[in-house]
Amino acid sequence: GNSVTQMEGPVTLSEEAFLTINCTYTATGYPSLFWYVQYPGEGLQLLLKATKADDKGSNKGFEATYRKETTSFHLEKGSVQVSDSAVYFCALSERHELNKFYFGSGTKLNVKP
Amino acid sequence: DSGVTQTPKHLITATGQRVTLRCSPRSGDLSVYWYQQSLDQGLQFLIQYYNGEERAKGNILERFSAQQFPDLHSELNLSSLELGDSALYFCASSDSHKKSSYNEQFFGPGTRLTVL
Repeated sequence: GNSVTQMEGPVTLSEEAFLTINCTYTATGYPSLFWYVQYPGEGLQLLLKATKADDKGSNKGFEATYRKETTSFHLEKGSVQVSDSAVYFCALSERHELNKFYFGSGTKLNVKP
Repeated sequence: DSGVTQTPKHLITATGQRVTLRCSPRSGDLSVYWYQQSLDQGLQFLIQYYNGEERAKGNILERFSAQQFPDLHSELNLSSLELGDSALYFCASSDSHKKSSYNEQFFGPGTRLTVL
């Protein structure tokens, strides 16, 4: 079956530090991969996405590359800001399942000034 | 603004009661998804509807039910409420019927349910 595993949080970093949040997946077909972000008190927002192997999704300085050989989609940012403090969810979906999403457990990021 | 609306924003009720949460998807989206987010269990998929029909079930309790109406809005009914049902309930929608390589879900702002 399909599943997503992401690193446990919370992750605490100082401003301008490098960020990596690991995400690996198990899928029966050829999924699309996503990172969603949830800021305090808000719903989930799409951060970036990749639909096929070797695609790189990027947005707001965040990047993630769809690695089929390692079944991974790690989220990275070169220099985090206090405003990046949020919960980050990795997810996958397969179109033949009419976009049923499989979410990871979420990783809380705290960035200190 | 994702285009997905949910009402009410907050709901406080007592154990044993029944509540209805409402969701309006983005214009044109046929698929609606319901999720429960609690502190100890993260984001749990409950149920999916596509154009009025149930398409997938997740960890939805028998006390909970949902439906999608002809105008595509959806309602999640929670009955015989227990303290443990206190959580954020999110609705999401997607254009899964379109032949697009992008099939992201768009989330509403959520309904915070507190059971006392």
